[in-house]
Amino acid sequence: EVQLVESGGGLVQPGGSLRLSCEGSGFTFSSFWMTWVRQAPGKGLEWVATIKQDGGETSSVDSVKGRYTISRDNAKNSLYLQMNSLRAEDTAVYFCARARVVITVTSFDWYFDLWGRGTLVTVS
Amino acid sequence: SYVLTQPPSVSVAPGQTAMITCGGDSIGIKSVHWYQQKPGQAPVLVVYDDSGRPSGIPARFSASRSGNTATLTITSAEAGDEADYYCQVTENNSDQNVFGTGTKVSVL
Repeated sequence: EVQLVESGGGLVQPGGSLRLSCEGSGFTFSSFWMTWVRQAPGKGLEWVATIKQDGGETSSVDSVKGRYTISRDNAKNSLYLQMNSLRAEDTAVYFCARARVVITVTSFDWYFDLWGRGTLVTVS
Repeated sequence: SYVLTQPPSVSVAPGQTAMITCGGDSIGIKSVHWYQQKPGQAPVLVVYDDSGRPSGIPARFSASRSGNTATLTITSAEAGDEADYYCQVTENNSDQNVFGTGTKVSVL
């Protein structure tokens, strides 16, 4: 079965750290860009970060730059999100997702075609 | 930062057509993708690259773009279509991915 399973969420105090993991199965994990998306309670989706197949390129939303690090271990079919200096506003369900690329003459766009069920991070 | 604006809610009668709009600067030149999210569940991709449909997504879901607005259309709406719907683009100047504000679709 093709799936993504997140783990590592929990309750952490402001200023603390947490590391999320996401394990993929049923597909060739190393062939895909991967991403993290979060959703605060009762709010909409917010893209967090994306990483290239070999880990050589990453991008992230401005609000987490310098605090969060996305990484991967293709040998373990795993994606990670290291979260430092956590704030109350980081409280959310964090989803990992497989990213697909649309390449045109003028742009390099992503969409997300496979999602995990999410893991809840509470900063309080 | 780039903003995608959606109506907070849309209501549709069973069997009728629902249209969900997504507005943003220069959206007419971007690839737009759409997701469905039911309560307590992960999002599901329903349309990618403006008009592509993933395997398993019925043809009742379609999308279009015109000017600064993209639209997801659900024809012959069913009770199971009740969900939140989000549009998404990549803002290429900054390599940031942006989701719309979300629209709650009610089938009444």
